[in-house]
Amino acid sequence: AQRVTQPEKLLSVFKGAPVELKCNYSYSGSPELFWYVQYSRQRLQLLLRHISRESIKGFTADLNKGETSFHLKKPFAQEEDSAMYYCALMAEFGAQKLVFGQGTRLTINP
Amino acid sequence: GAVVSQHPSWVICKSGTSVKIECRSLDFQATTMFWYRQFPKQSLMLMATSNEGSKATYEQGVEKDKFLINHASLTLSTLTVTSAHPEDSSFYICSALGSSYNEQFFGPGTRLTVL
Repeated sequence: AQRVTQPEKLLSVFKGAPVELKCNYSYSGSPELFWYVQYSRQRLQLLLRHISRESIKGFTADLNKGETSFHLKKPFAQEEDSAMYYCALMAEFGAQKLVFGQGTRLTINP
Repeated sequence: GAVVSQHPSWVICKSGTSVKIECRSLDFQATTMFWYRQFPKQSLMLMATSNEGSKATYEQGVEKDKFLINHASLTLSTLTVTSAHPEDSSFYICSALGSSYNEQFFGPGTRLTVL
């Protein structure tokens, strides 16, 4: 079965510090992985996807198939990064179904 | 980006009544829409996948007779919670996938409270 695990429900760092949100997955095939973000009082939106290999708002994420991980990183956190972050896995190509992790609430302290 | 709306944003109903939630893609045609359920402080759980003009595909454990999904047009999908009970109280979120996009766009969600 497909599963996404985000071990940290809450993560708090100071502004300017590096941040890493962990995501591990369980999937037998070749996954497509995503990070979604939900800012306060806003809807869920795509932050980045592993196939794009791009940096969005300073965030990057590398798919590590050996460790089945897709951790989200940013070298210098900013206060506006405070939000709920969800890691998601696309379980079946073509069907476009997403399996979400439990989410991590990131708080950036001034 | 593409915009998805949901109506209503919140609804309170009595136990035993039915509630309809609408999901609309405002500026694109959505070949596929998804319905999720989110309990407090928990993740989104996919309930069903809805393709325009065909029957919805429900995830394991989701009662199709209780959660009726209709995707009659390329811009509208509806979720009807039939004979609602307090345990159906939750946050329901839809997303839409357009033919020209390779991304799900999410609605703002609908909070359902069943008394």
